[in-house]
This record gives sequence, C-alpha cells and structure tokens, in this order.
Amino acid sequence: SQQGEEDPQALSIQEGENATMNCSYKTSINNLQWYRQNSGRGLVHLILIRSNEREKHSGRLRVTLDTSKKSSSLLITASRAADTASYFCATDASAGNMLTFGGGTRLMVKP
Amino acid sequence: DAGVIQSPRHEVTEMGQEVTLRCKPISGHDYLFWYRQTMMRGLELLIYFNNNVPIDDSGMPEDRFSAKMPNASFSTLKIQPSEPRDSAVYFCASSWVTGNIQYFGAGTRLSVL
Repeated sequence: SQQGEEDPQALSIQEGENATMNCSYKTSINNLQWYRQNSGRGLVHLILIRSNEREKHSGRLRVTLDTSKKSSSLLITASRAADTASYFCATDASAGNMLTFGGGTRLMVKP
Repeated sequence: DAGVIQSPRHEVTEMGQEVTLRCKPISGHDYLFWYRQTMMRGLELLIYFNNNVPIDDSGMPEDRFSAKMPNASFSTLKIQPSEPRDSAVYFCASSWVTGNIQYFGAGTRLSVL
C-alpha cells in the first residue's frame, strides 16, 4: 500500500495561476520529499522537508508539513507551461525505510 | 557526472523471452533502487541494494524477476520468462543514504507482446 496519497489526482490551471497539491501519509516520518516527473522521463527531486520543519521555500516552490495531520502541501506560484508534469510526494518513515512514493498529481498548465 | 544511466530505453519482446535491463548508478552512491511504474499500481519499489548487497527484495513480484549488482557501477534486472503483465516503465535510482534524495534514470519502457 502507498504511504503517501496525493490530492487532487489531476489539476488543470492557466499560466500565471498558483497550483496547490496535497499529500497525506500514514506513519511517522523522518522527512518528506517532492519529485516532478515530466512525460517520458524519470523523477527529479524538487525539495525535502524534515519532520521538525514546518515550511520550506525553493524559488517558486513552497512546501508545508503538518506532522500532527500527517499531511504536506506543495504550492507552485506563478505557474508556467513548463511546470506541466506529474508531482509525487515521497516519505522516509521513521523506521528507517526507503522512500515510499504516492500516486502523484498530474498538473497541466495551459498557456 | 552523467547521472543514472539506464539501457535500453525501450524494449519490445514476446511473451516467454528473457529480458535484461541495465543500470549504471551515479559514481559514489551507496544505494541503488529498482522501481516499476504502471498506471494501475503507480511507482513500486522492487528491490534495493546497499554497497552492492541486496537489502530488501520484498517488492519483487515473483521468481521470474531477479536483480544483481556485481559491482558498484552496474546492476541488472532480469525477467525470465517475460509475460504481458510485466509491461511497464522500469526505473533505476541511486542515492548516498536511504531516505535521502534519490536520483532517477530515464527509465526503460518494456512492452511484452
């Protein structure tokens, strides 16, 4: 079973708008990561947030983590057509397991 | 560094044939992971190695699947015999430590007819 579940499964927005994706997980974690996958490509790491952090920024990306609710959100501001991709959250459980990926959110940014 | 390199990029084979997928991890990485991605099941971890030793192969679907890592710069995933339900994209990834950032190859798209 998947540790992380993304919501929504698909999202379509206009260029310039903000995109928000959510991830929920089930067990305690050491850290949570977000990855992007362009069509026909491998996953690319975007950002990592540790369990003792609540918010992290990287360029147009903003990630929040609420360990009490076991959830995280990824916000992409001022989206561009090039942001069109699938976005996955991945958790590193406190038991020291390897990463477990969610089902992903497919984002389409229309020019 | 060129990143994680997988070959072939595409493989089309007939049911019952042996398939071998190859991966070259990033130099210096201690961990290597094999994943399978399908629309129905998403991204599944098949097996991972630490310093060339298989650590967890609980994700390997059945005995038809096997993986080896004879040295730090090369790993193979073999399916024998292949079946149509094995059709998927197979990814290799490597990292320095478990739970840390993983670097993915471009994947091998396998079609078993």
